[in-house]
Amino acid sequence: SQQGEEDPQALSIQEGENATMNCSYKTSINNLQWYRQNSGRGLVHLILIRSNEREKHSGRLRVTLDTSKKSSSLLITASRAADTASYFCATPPSGGSYIPTFGRGTSLIVHP
Amino acid sequence: DTGVSQNPRHKITKRGQNVTFRCDPISEHNRLYWYRQTLGQGPEFLTYFQNEAQLEKSRLLSDRFSAERPKGSFSTLEIQRTEQGDSAMYLCASSSSYGDTQYFGPGTRLTVL
Repeated sequence: SQQGEEDPQALSIQEGENATMNCSYKTSINNLQWYRQNSGRGLVHLILIRSNEREKHSGRLRVTLDTSKKSSSLLITASRAADTASYFCATPPSGGSYIPTFGRGTSLIVHP
Repeated sequence: DTGVSQNPRHKITKRGQNVTFRCDPISEHNRLYWYRQTLGQGPEFLTYFQNEAQLEKSRLLSDRFSAERPKGSFSTLEIQRTEQGDSAMYLCASSSSYGDTQYFGPGTRLTVL
């Protein structure tokens, strides 16, 4: 079974709007990572938030982590058409080898 | 360094044939991972190397799949007697021993006819 699950599965917005997607996971984690994947391409790492952090920013990205609820959110502010992609969270379980598991992703479409 | 590279980018084969994919990780990275991704799904873990040692394999990796990393640098993933269900994108990623971030290659898209 998959550790992380993104929500919603699909999101369609207009350029300039904010996009929020969520990730829920099941077991304790060391960190949580968000990746972006453009159609038919490899994944690009966006941001990593550690289990002892609650919020992190990178450019137009804001990630929050609530370990008590086992959830994270990714906010993209002032979205652009180029942000159109699938977004995945990856959650390596704490302890043992580092093997992150990915959810099914959120497909974001930003209309110009 | 130009990042993780994978070859070929696309492979079309007939059912029953063997195929081999290559991954060249970022040079200073000790860890190398293989994933499989089908349409509408996230990457599914297949196997992982620390240097030349294959440390973990997923249950998804049937006996028809084998992976090597002979000198702790590049890796190959071979699929024997391909089946139509093997059609997918095969992704390779690498990371440093003490880092958490994985860097992905562009993937090899396999189509089994």
